[in-house]
Amino acid sequence: DTGVSQDPRHKITKRGQNVTFRCDPISEHNRLYWYRQTLGQGPEFLTYFQNEAQLEKSRLLSDRFSAERPKGSFSTLEIQRTEQGDSAMYLCASQLNTEAFFGQGTRLTVV
Amino acid sequence: DAKTTQPPSMDCAEGRAANLPCNHSTISGNEYVYWYRQIHSQGPQYIIHGLKNNETNEMASLIITEDRKSSTLILPHATLRDTAVYYCIVEEGAGGFKTIFGAGTRLFVKA
Repeated sequence: DTGVSQDPRHKITKRGQNVTFRCDPISEHNRLYWYRQTLGQGPEFLTYFQNEAQLEKSRLLSDRFSAERPKGSFSTLEIQRTEQGDSAMYLCASQLNTEAFFGQGTRLTVV
Repeated sequence: DAKTTQPPSMDCAEGRAANLPCNHSTISGNEYVYWYRQIHSQGPQYIIHGLKNNETNEMASLIITEDRKSSTLILPHATLRDTAVYYCIVEEGAGGFKTIFGAGTRLFVKA
């Protein structure tokens, strides 16, 4: 257990529905990252927060995706109007100094 | 694209040292070399990182060449539980985890 928790661990949704995932980072970590991982590939960066400020977004983060980190604590990642191509593992990581620690991920299946 | 190149797979006998190579010829002066591993369906687990000196911790040793263009992760006495995908990434460290992991090296430890 790295101390980064993600909820839910698994989510099955119908195409077109909205989904929201939560990440609770290690408490003193001020930086938080979201990644997406598809089968057989390594994780790919989506977006990054320093405290409550969203500092960077990847071009992979389409308009249907939005992330928040109110008060610089937990973070949420919402996907609107899900598509089958959104099926993936969504990973959260938090960082204080140089090491980043990952949660166990939320596996999304869009049917 | 990932900034590192790793062999797609390697085998190692249980109890022997596993030496996993990584090429990062375009690494810049402020970028660290990080190693993570991922066991099926879990989030990536931090192993070790270094800037230019060799590093050792309870899990592994990291050997970085003098020109910093390549590195080797050493698991001194591999066990069956070390079977995983190992990712080598280069990042700036604090605030720099905006990365593509690449496909990594799938290490098979055999009894």
